[in-house]
Amino acid sequence: SAVISQKPSRDICQRGTSLTIQCQVDSQVTMMFWYRQQPGQSLTLIATANQGSEATYESGFVIDKFPISRPNLTFSTLTVSNMSPEDSSIYLCSALGETSYNEQFFGPGTRLTVL
Amino acid sequence: AQSVAQPEDQVNVAEGNPLTVKCTYSVSGNPYLFWYVQYPNRGLQFLLKYITGDNLVKGSYGFEAEFNKSQTSFHLKKPSALVSDSALYFCAVRDPSGNTGKLIFGQGTTLQVKP
Repeated sequence: SAVISQKPSRDICQRGTSLTIQCQVDSQVTMMFWYRQQPGQSLTLIATANQGSEATYESGFVIDKFPISRPNLTFSTLTVSNMSPEDSSIYLCSALGETSYNEQFFGPGTRLTVL
Repeated sequence: AQSVAQPEDQVNVAEGNPLTVKCTYSVSGNPYLFWYVQYPNRGLQFLLKYITGDNLVKGSYGFEAEFNKSQTSFHLKKPSALVSDSALYFCAVRDPSGNTGKLIFGQGTTLQVKP
């Protein structure tokens, strides 16, 4: 199994600012993902972080708002840009091993509050 | 389109009684099915998965789930509930045909086990 860490674990930010969340996996993985969990709701996939190329975004999410980097097989960042209170959520990083029938492992999440 | 439904927002059981958390899915082809648990202020923890083979799968902490293809269901069960099982449970599905690795989550079911 993979162990995933995220930084920061939580933050309180002002409207209009940006926050970059870091995700580190303790082993090489084929796929990394970013999810959003709004208060009291389920997880929604934001994008698949592709190593060395642009992320693949889901419907309703755009690169200008959520730029993602993945410079290598174990590290990814998600930036939440020009934040508004509606961006207050938990953001979770996850990773998938070599085969698609493996389970995804999740980081502990970053709890973001935008004032 | 793929989808997962958890028809109950909350399930209440007494400690020592059996528990069931329901999940139904809609996906073309043969699905990969997963259950995750989320404790307060924690990330998601993997419980169990169904990929192929025996319809009854066993997972962590004494949980098991039964895959029923005709009813497109994957209900989570435990013979004897513990107060410490109280948490938020998510069912998730992956369609392996696209090889995207993406998970689609149900809306979650809060399990409350009372002493």
